[in-house]
Amino acid sequence: GESVGLHLPTLSVQEGDNSIINCAYSNSASDYFIWYKQESGKGPQFIIDIRSNMDKRQGQRVTVLLNKTVKHLSLQIAATQPGDSAVYFCAEDRDKIIFGKGTRLHILP
Amino acid sequence: GAGVSQSPSNKVTEKGKDVELRCDPISGHTALYWYRQSLGQGLEFLIYFQGNSAPDKSGLPSDRFSAERTGGSVSTLTIQRTQQEDSAVYLCASSAVRGLQGNTIYFGEGSWLTVV
Repeated sequence: GESVGLHLPTLSVQEGDNSIINCAYSNSASDYFIWYKQESGKGPQFIIDIRSNMDKRQGQRVTVLLNKTVKHLSLQIAATQPGDSAVYFCAEDRDKIIFGKGTRLHILP
Repeated sequence: GAGVSQSPSNKVTEKGKDVELRCDPISGHTALYWYRQSLGQGLEFLIYFQGNSAPDKSGLPSDRFSAERTGGSVSTLTIQRTQQEDSAVYLCASSAVRGLQGNTIYFGEGSWLTVV
């Protein structure tokens, strides 16, 4: 079946380094993708989104890249900080918003 | 209110009892979602309300689960005859009119349900 999935369940990154979180999707008809951050005990929080007519979008310290050829989405976090520790979810709009399983980002001191 | 509000924030119930979880979406948002998140897991879609359209119930796991949305605003998720596997965080989210503002959905803090 069609799904949104993540390559790695856990990612450990040294503080100050860049983080790259990957996501694969299989529905080529999806035209909108979102990244969410969920801190422990809280609801998911919107980070950044991208439409399928774009291949890159930048926010504050975050960049989302979309490769429609291989149906791949990534979230890049520059200069990772302790406050970035969380679970990150990608999601796609298939008439309703469907989430992947998430990647836990762990920051090493 | 300024954000999506859910109540109760925590609920412990005995197996077999019914529970109701409430969601107040952001004012003016026409779309409302319910998701379920088991410990350490992703977000499982349950149900989606969009304006006056018939809700998309395709994610409800069994007929013990139901949801309604009154007056296009507040929503209640009801779980009848709760089972231990129903223990999870139930997250509500809302978004503005589809097609505007990129369909970004905003989440509440969730209702933590424990069935003992």
